[in-house]
Amino acid sequence: DVQMTQSPSFLSASVGDRVTITCRASHTTDRRLSWYQQKPGRAPQLLIYDASNLQSGVPSRFSGSGSGTDFTLTISSLQPEDFATYYCQRTYSAPWTFGQGTKVEIK
Amino acid sequence: VQLVESGGQLVQPGGSLRISCAASGFSFRNYWMGWARQAPGKGLEWVANINQDGSEKFSVDSDKGRFIISRDNAQNSLYLQINSLRAEDTAVYYCASALDFRSEFWGQGTLVTVSS
Repeated sequence: DVQMTQSPSFLSASVGDRVTITCRASHTTDRRLSWYQQKPGRAPQLLIYDASNLQSGVPSRFSGSGSGTDFTLTISSLQPEDFATYYCQRTYSAPWTFGQGTKVEIK
Repeated sequence: VQLVESGGQLVQPGGSLRISCAASGFSFRNYWMGWARQAPGKGLEWVANINQDGSEKFSVDSDKGRFIISRDNAQNSLYLQINSLRAEDTAVYYCASALDFRSEFWGQGTLVTVSS
């Protein structure tokens, strides 16, 4: 089975901070890697697809990079509305696989 | 675009349940679709994918066959049948688009509770 491991699992940060979340795949995923944001009680929202493509309507402070097995989501300047849980997802082959999530909380 | 799930309910262990997703506002028949779930207080788990005409299906437990994904393009509807339900299947089940290697559209979810 494919495993997706995110780090850290929990992150405490302040408004204005630069935040980086990493995602490592147990098997190559080429660049078929998406990032989602989820707030409590809400459905996930697509932020990044194909490792580095910004989904329409998503603020440019979000960016993604990586290929193969190692990927990164960066928030350049954390805003109050960015406090949420973030998930990576391998979409290289079906069924897809999520990482365990990274919760970003206010310091 | 709207994806509206329905059919979630309280079910006894060992039972079966079929949940539904009604799609509108996009060309449903041209999209891969899928289901994800989230147990209370836990992370997301992708469950199954289905291609545009239903001829290709993939599920997280393909060897056991407890999750059966299907669709009706004439009704713009997606379905997930879950068999041999267990307590650990208790979750909010989300319907999502799955075209071009990403899930752009999501429903708000339907809660399935497995308990005696």
